[in-house]
Amino acid sequence: EAQVTQNPRYLITVTGKKLTVTCSQNMNHEYMSWYRQDPGLGLRQIYYSMNVEVTDKGDVPEGYKVSRKEKRNFPLILESPSPNQTSLYFCASSWSERRFLEPLHFGNGTRLTVT
Amino acid sequence: EDKVVQSPLSLVVHEGDTVTLNCSYEVTNFRSLLWYKQEKKAPTFLFMLTSSGIEKKSGRLSSILDKKELFSILNITATQTGDSAVYLCAVEANSGAGSYQLTFGKGTKLSVIP
Repeated sequence: EAQVTQNPRYLITVTGKKLTVTCSQNMNHEYMSWYRQDPGLGLRQIYYSMNVEVTDKGDVPEGYKVSRKEKRNFPLILESPSPNQTSLYFCASSWSERRFLEPLHFGNGTRLTVT
Repeated sequence: EDKVVQSPLSLVVHEGDTVTLNCSYEVTNFRSLLWYKQEKKAPTFLFMLTSSGIEKKSGRLSSILDKKELFSILNITATQTGDSAVYLCAVEANSGAGSYQLTFGKGTKLSVIP
């Protein structure tokens, strides 16, 4: 089944303790992206990647890192999480070639709480 | 800066009513406009619109884009309680060098009561 898989689904952690949220897709998509969703603010893009070894900042990249060493995986790293990073996080993927006009496929989300 | 504004932010209707959700945008190098439905989990895709004036339809849902006035509407006829969700509008724009950006609106929360 074609899907985007995020793990974990829920995570409660303390300030300053490094964490990684994994994202994997099985559709051979070039484009992958991370969003955070907060009440009243909608979905905001953190980082995106057009292909392997190519990553770019989105609208709210501060406090986050990403890597794209393989096509299928796009982990989100919080080196020193803070309470303002408490949010619902979504990973998404799609084709990136101009000839493909295809919507993003979303993972099921990771609810992160930083205390 | 690219901007996507949805209205209303929240809407409560009775089953059987028809609703119209609005999305206006200001982006450079527009590529497409997308509508998603988000219930408790991940957003699920509804429509992608690239051309003005061509209605896309799926059952009781339909959507149309106006590239001159820079807006889109999502219509839901004969609403059901299962239509209760947050509806997200997103605009895709070319950001150069084969890259593109997707900007989301804040969503419209639709509640359909029996």
